[in-house]
Amino acid sequence: GEDVEQSLFLSVREGDSSVINCTYTDSSSTYLYWYKQEPGAGLQLLTYIFSNMDMKQDQRLTVLLNKKDKHLSLRIADTQTGDSAIYFCAERGNQGGKLIFGQGTELSVKP
Amino acid sequence: DADVTQTPRNRITKTGKRIMLECSQTKGHDRMYWYRQDPGLGLRLIYYSFDVKDINKGEISDGYSVSRQAQAKFSLSLESAIPNQTALYFCATSDPPDNEQFFGPGTRLTVL
Repeated sequence: GEDVEQSLFLSVREGDSSVINCTYTDSSSTYLYWYKQEPGAGLQLLTYIFSNMDMKQDQRLTVLLNKKDKHLSLRIADTQTGDSAIYFCAERGNQGGKLIFGQGTELSVKP
Repeated sequence: DADVTQTPRNRITKTGKRIMLECSQTKGHDRMYWYRQDPGLGLRLIYYSFDVKDINKGEISDGYSVSRQAQAKFSLSLESAIPNQTALYFCATSDPPDNEQFFGPGTRLTVL
């Protein structure tokens, strides 16, 4: 079945770059997403990439997609303490709006 | 005002009780979803509905039921709550082309 995997924790120093990785199994994925969950809040969409793209950049965020290896990454440049949150990778196949989420990566940014 | 609201925000109940969690949205979206979040497991889909007459089971529907009372309302029921249903529950909405799902703030449910 469909599966999305992420490592659970990442710790970086303020000002460094963070790279959060994700692997997925569904080769028919059409869109891949990164959501952010701040403490005590719901999920908010950070960015998404269509499956025929290799890269998408949006200010401090860079998404890389390696479709051959089914690997997605999110790079946050100049990471700030306000970036501390849980980051979820998700993929959408070809069955309407259903999303399959990874376990979430808890990013801790130390001053 | 929030576009997707959930009530209650927190609930403590006892094993065997029936519980209803409610979700309302003002986004005018046809598609609504219920997820549960457990530490280390991410979000798992319980049920989803693509319009008022459409209900579909998700990955983990056992022990749960849903009702789509109107386009704007989607309720999740636990018929007889058990402790391993203790989790954070999220409602979400979307519309084609489904580029984004919009999440409510979550309901923290504890079953003793």
